Amino acid sequence: AQSVTQLGSHVSVSEGALVLLRCNYSSSVPPYLFWYVQYPNQGLQLLLKYTTGATLVKGINGFEAEFKKSETSFHLTKPSAHMSDAAEYFCAVTGGTSYGKLTFGQGTILTVHP
Amino acid sequence: DTAVSQTPKYLVTQMGNDKSIKCEQNLGHDTMYWYKQDSKKFLKIMFSYNNKELIINETVPNRFSPKSPDKAHLNLHINSLELGDSAVYFCASSQWDGNYGYTFGSGTRLTVV
Repeated sequence: AQSVTQLGSHVSVSEGALVLLRCNYSSSVPPYLFWYVQYPNQGLQLLLKYTTGATLVKGINGFEAEFKKSETSFHLTKPSAHMSDAAEYFCAVTGGTSYGKLTFGQGTILTVHP
Repeated sequence: DTAVSQTPKYLVTQMGNDKSIKCEQNLGHDTMYWYKQDSKKFLKIMFSYNNKELIINETVPNRFSPKSPDKAHLNLHINSLELGDSAVYFCASSQWDGNYGYTFGSGTRLTVV
C-alpha cells in the first residue's frame, strides 16, 4: 500500500518569501509523485510530477519539487510567494500495480500575507 | 474547451432520492475515475474504468453505481441518498495507468438534506 503525509495542514508566508510545503511518501515500488493545487470551489490542477529521470522537477507558476529517495520526500518549493499562490496543495503518489490509483495526502492550505 | 467536464456543478437533494452525475472527457484518455472529497478535503478514489472496463472498485456502498457507455464518458448514479453522501465528487481521466498524472473535472458539490 502507498501513503502520503503532508507535514503542516496550514502554512503561512509573506508575499515574496520562500514557500516550502512538505510531503513524505511511503511506497514499496518506485513511486510516481505529483503535486496538485486546488483553488476555492475549483477542481485540482496539476502543478508538477516526478516519473523517472531528473529528480528536480519544475512545474507551472514557478513551483518546483525535488524527489529524494533516501528521505522518501517530495517537497514543493517556490522562491518568492505571490498572493495568487494562496490555495490548497495536495501531494499524491501512484506506481506499481496500483492501476492508476492516486493516493493523496491530506492537503496543505497556503496563506500568503501582503 | 473543457477537457474533463462534469454536470451538474451543484446538486441539492433530499435523503432517499436517486441522482446521477455525468462526466465526459475529450482528451482521448483511456481511463476515467471518480474521487470523493469529504468535508475535510480528503480525496479518496471510488472507481476507475479503462475502456469501459471496471478496474478499481474501492470499498464503496453498492448504492453507488458507475456506468461507462464509452471510454469518453463515466457517469455516477447514486441510489437512496444519505446525509453522509454530501461531498464534492470529482471525475478525472488519464492515460492507461495514470502514472503521468490525471486531468480533473471541476467537481460536483452534492448536498443531501
